[in-house]
Amino acid sequence: DAGVIQSPRHEVTEMGQEVTLRCKPISGHDYLFWYRQTMMRGLELLIYFNNNVPIDDSGMPEDRFSAKMPNASFSTLKIQPSEPRDSAVYFCASSTRDSFNQPQHFGDGTRLSIL
Amino acid sequence: GQQLNQSPQSMFIQEGEDVSMNCTSSSIFNTWLWYKQDPGEGPVLLIALYKAGELTSNGRLTAQFGITRKDSFLNISASIPSDVGIYFCAGQLSPGTASKLTFGTGTRLQVTL
Repeated sequence: DAGVIQSPRHEVTEMGQEVTLRCKPISGHDYLFWYRQTMMRGLELLIYFNNNVPIDDSGMPEDRFSAKMPNASFSTLKIQPSEPRDSAVYFCASSTRDSFNQPQHFGDGTRLSIL
Repeated sequence: GQQLNQSPQSMFIQEGEDVSMNCTSSSIFNTWLWYKQDPGEGPVLLIALYKAGELTSNGRLTAQFGITRKDSFLNISASIPSDVGIYFCAGQLSPGTASKLTFGTGTRLQVTL
């Protein structure tokens, strides 16, 4: 079975540019999560969706960050304008409530470097 | 954001040795999860614990859900080189739902031959 798919795997761009990260959750999963991982702060939840609706965006660091989920198989995380301190690995994860013991499954991440 | 405290931060052990790491929190969790992250990849679930006092094994891995619900332990027996990676604990308030996961700070494991 295909897992969570993220693209691109790596992105290097100059500060001020718009960055768009993409995620395809596991088919049938109705929850989708965006995380950011840095050495200093570890893994932080940014936002999560249920049935394509944002449920909790309290982890989104500032207005420069936005996330959308236009359908059940696709989500984007956008940073505009980007800054060097946004450099991190961004993970997408998905899960389902259907099974009692079904925790979140992670993609391989997007390594973002803002110069 | 809130993080769980993991210890040790890093470990250097020889192949064949047993490994122990733990995770503590000031808050109660109803579910504890242990993930492993290899370089360049996302975290992969190792073990899930749903009941205080529960002891669960997955091959050479054994994890326990602390009776106070504020801590958890992971043991790896007879370590091998592929055990190298970062181990994260995660706490969740409600099992089987999508309530937030709070992650630990990670334990980096290095295994020497």
